[in-house]
Amino acid sequence: DIQMTQSPSTLSAFVGDRVTITCRASQSISSWLAWYQQKPGKAPKLLIYKASILESGVPSRFSGSGSGTEFTLTISSLQPDDFATYYCQQYNSYWTFGQGTKVEIK
Amino acid sequence: QVQLQESGPGLVKPSETLSLTCTVSGGYVNSYYWSWIRQPPGKGLEWIGYIYDSGSTKYTPSLKSRVTISVDTSKNQFSLKLSSVTAADTAVYYCARGNKLFGVITWGQGTLVTVSS
Repeated sequence: DIQMTQSPSTLSAFVGDRVTITCRASQSISSWLAWYQQKPGKAPKLLIYKASILESGVPSRFSGSGSGTEFTLTISSLQPDDFATYYCQQYNSYWTFGQGTKVEIK
Repeated sequence: QVQLQESGPGLVKPSETLSLTCTVSGGYVNSYYWSWIRQPPGKGLEWIGYIYDSGSTKYTPSLKSRVTISVDTSKNQFSLKLSSVTAADTAVYYCARGNKLFGVITWGQGTLVTVSS
């Protein structure tokens, strides 16, 4: 089965910072990768699918890139509403989630 | 707009079978991957499995021996059974709808299941 490794596990940043989260797959998943945002007590929300396509309604400050085994989620200018936990997910072969990255206020 | 709602017991005894149902509204139980995902308290997301094409199933290897996912098209529902549960199965259980293009498109609100005597 495919393993997904996210880094960092926790990230502290200021409002307005540019933030990057990395996700690595244990084998190639082409571009079959999604990113989700989860806030406490809520279900995750789809942000990006097929590695780089922004889901409808998601602010343009979010972007995704990568293919094969290396992927990134970038928030160009962190906003107060963005403090949350972010998960990557591969859906090339079954489904697997990364362990999550918590974005905290610095 | 498709909505999903989990239902089932919030407390299950060790060694018993956890049973949950997801009711689909605003759409039909076909043409997608209908999945169960869980999240232990304070931890990350774990995919349990999905059912697709009205009956084919895929399960995560670590739970495969204990999991059954089924669908009832007449009720527009799909279900999860997890046998021989232990405290490690305590989690928020989400039902979800996905496909090959998007990954997970729609999530239920989640239901907490606690395994305890």
